[in-house]
Amino acid sequence: QQPVQSPQAVILREGEDAVINCSSSKALYSVHWYRQKHGEAPVFLMILLKGGEQMRHEKISASFNEKKQQSSLYLTASQLSYSGTYFCGTAYTGTASKLTFGTGTRLQVTL
Amino acid sequence: NAGVTQTPKFRVLKTGQSMTLLCAQDMNHEYMYWYRQDPGMGLRLIHYSVGEGTTAKGEVPDGYNVSRLKKQNFLLGLESAAPSQTSVYFCASSFRGPANYGYTFGSGTRLTVV
Repeated sequence: QQPVQSPQAVILREGEDAVINCSSSKALYSVHWYRQKHGEAPVFLMILLKGGEQMRHEKISASFNEKKQQSSLYLTASQLSYSGTYFCGTAYTGTASKLTFGTGTRLQVTL
Repeated sequence: NAGVTQTPKFRVLKTGQSMTLLCAQDMNHEYMYWYRQDPGMGLRLIHYSVGEGTTAKGEVPDGYNVSRLKKQNFLLGLESAAPSQTSVYFCASSFRGPANYGYTFGSGTRLTVV
């Protein structure tokens, strides 16, 4: 089963903050976050491990709530360069050799 | 350092034709993957490999075959192309697997089946 991402799309003004959520119905071993710009390949941002600390990539951070089987991506003081589609990828406990991706959250940052 | 290289970048096939997509990585990664990306559906796993000589099915394997004869290469074959296989195909690799390592993606192959 695919993880569920929310919201599906968000529009921000430069400098505003946003949160993207990724929820799973299955036990998670790790959660990845990727950003894909239009016409390009997805790019790895960060990985969160079970029992691990909150991670950060520039002004983007993420957390992993094991109890809720959920991860959240926090985009602080957004920049135009943050525009793109964000995907979470989940590695499930017991089948951690592959990622299952959510359907993505489209983020547009405007002036 | 090339990373993950996919060939070709674009291809148009007629229904029933066959083709092979090549993925090559120069990072000494053990794990390699083929995903397809369709609008609104995210990335769906076709096949993957956890090491040279191994392959396994993903969630949408029908109509595709793969081979990993050399550690650096992962080939995806379409034996008899169908319009439903029109998609963007991404290859990815990982040092030891996504439990602890991120994916590096190739730039993609845009395939149209008419």
